[in-house]
Amino acid sequence: EAGVAQSPRYKIIEKRQSVAFWCNPISGHATLYWYQQILGQGPKLLIQFQNNGVVDDSQLPKDRFSAERLKGVDSTLKIQPAKLEDSAVYLCASSLDLRTDTQYFGPGTRLTVL
Amino acid sequence: GENVEQHPSTLSVQEGDSAVIKCTYSDSASNYFPWYKQELGKRPQLIIDIRSNVGEKKDQRIAVTLNKTAKHFSLHITETQPEDSAVYFCAADDPFGNEKLTFGTGTRLTIIP
Repeated sequence: EAGVAQSPRYKIIEKRQSVAFWCNPISGHATLYWYQQILGQGPKLLIQFQNNGVVDDSQLPKDRFSAERLKGVDSTLKIQPAKLEDSAVYLCASSLDLRTDTQYFGPGTRLTVL
Repeated sequence: GENVEQHPSTLSVQEGDSAVIKCTYSDSASNYFPWYKQELGKRPQLIIDIRSNVGEKKDQRIAVTLNKTAKHFSLHITETQPEDSAVYFCAADDPFGNEKLTFGTGTRLTIIP
């Protein structure tokens, strides 16, 4: 079974620039999560999708972050404009559905904002 | 929302000895508690989980115990090996948050050969 795929793996940008990350969940997984993991901390949930609908985006900084999952499969997370404090690893995870707790993580995208 | 605290932040153990990592949670209604292992530069991987209807679960050298009354759960690794060196994260679900997980801050475990 293929795992969660993410790209790019690394990205370096300057502050105020824009950046986008892509995630392809495990086939058949209806629930998709985006996490932010700052160095030395645990993952923090940014947004959760069930199919193409948003379930929880309470911790997403909506003034600069946006995410979509238009067809209920792949998802993109965008930051515009980036700030220095956005430097982190952005992890995508998926689970079978809302009733299934087990989340499977992708390899992450390491973002450095200079 | 749920709050999860994890201790210790770093732990060094002689190879072959046991390691114990502890977590506490705030929401008594939480009922799912997974543990993830994250090696340097790699994705978090689920190593074991426990639900609130059991007090202990084992999988070879790894075990997790849950005390719902005290709202804490622990990861136990026996006969540690160098490949156990990693950062370990505990998490608890938000029972009113559509299976949303809140993670602890992590424990860096180092196995000394």
